Amino acid sequence: QVQLVQSGAEMKKPGSSVKVSCKASGGTFSSYAISWVRQAPGQGLEWMGGIIPMFPSSSNYAQKFRGRVTISADESTTTAFMELSSLRSEDTALYYCAREVNGALDSWGQGTPVTVSS
Amino acid sequence: QSVLTQPPSASGTPGQRVTISCSGSSSNIGSNDVYWYQQLPGTAPKLVIYTNNQRPSGVPDRFSGSKSGSSASLAISGLRSEDEAEYYCAAWDDSLGAHYVFGTGTKVTVL
Repeated sequence: QVQLVQSGAEMKKPGSSVKVSCKASGGTFSSYAISWVRQAPGQGLEWMGGIIPMFPSSSNYAQKFRGRVTISADESTTTAFMELSSLRSEDTALYYCAREVNGALDSWGQGTPVTVSS
Repeated sequence: QSVLTQPPSASGTPGQRVTISCSGSSSNIGSNDVYWYQQLPGTAPKLVIYTNNQRPSGVPDRFSGSKSGSSASLAISGLRSEDEAEYYCAAWDDSLGAHYVFGTGTKVTVL
C-alpha cells in the first residue's frame, strides 16, 4: 500500500500563501487521484480538491476554495502539492493528503498543521 | 459546511451494537457510493467501509455498512473500547461540479 509523507508544520501571516507537499512511496502514484482534506481545530473533515498526477489538467476543486487553492503533482518525484493563498485565520487547520481509489480515500498522510496568525 | 448529516454522538457498552446514520440527498448518497472513515484521537482518518458495504483488508467484520435511497448507516457490533473514535460518512456529490462531501461526524463512546 502506498505511504504518503507530508511536509512539516507551517506558521503564516494573514494574506500570505502556504504550499504543502505530499510524497508518495511504495505504490502506484500517477494513475490514482490525490485529494486534499483539511480539518480545523475541533471540527470535521472538509474536502478541498484533488488531482490525478498523470493528467495535470484534471485538478478539481471544491467551490469554496476555487480561486484560492492550486493542487499540482510532479510525477518525477511522486509528490503532490497543495498551495493555498490569501490566508486568513479561518484557514488554521490540519491539512491531509489522501490517495483516492475508486472513490475511497484509502491511504492518508500524517497531516500538516498550518497556523495563520499575525 | 457538511451536506451529509450524522448524529453528533452514539454510545454503547462493550459487546453492544451501535448504529450511525448518514442522511444525504439525490445528488450524493442517492446516486453515488458511500464511504466510512474512523478517526481515532490525534490520528489521520482511516477507511473502514467502501462502496457502501465493503470492508478493506484488516478491518474487523464487526463493522458493516448499508445504504438505502439517500441514506446510509454504519453498524459496529460487539463494541470494543478501541472502537471509541469519531466516524465520518462521505460520498461524491454531482452538484456544482463533482466534489467529495463528508458527514458532520459522530463521536462513538464506549461506556
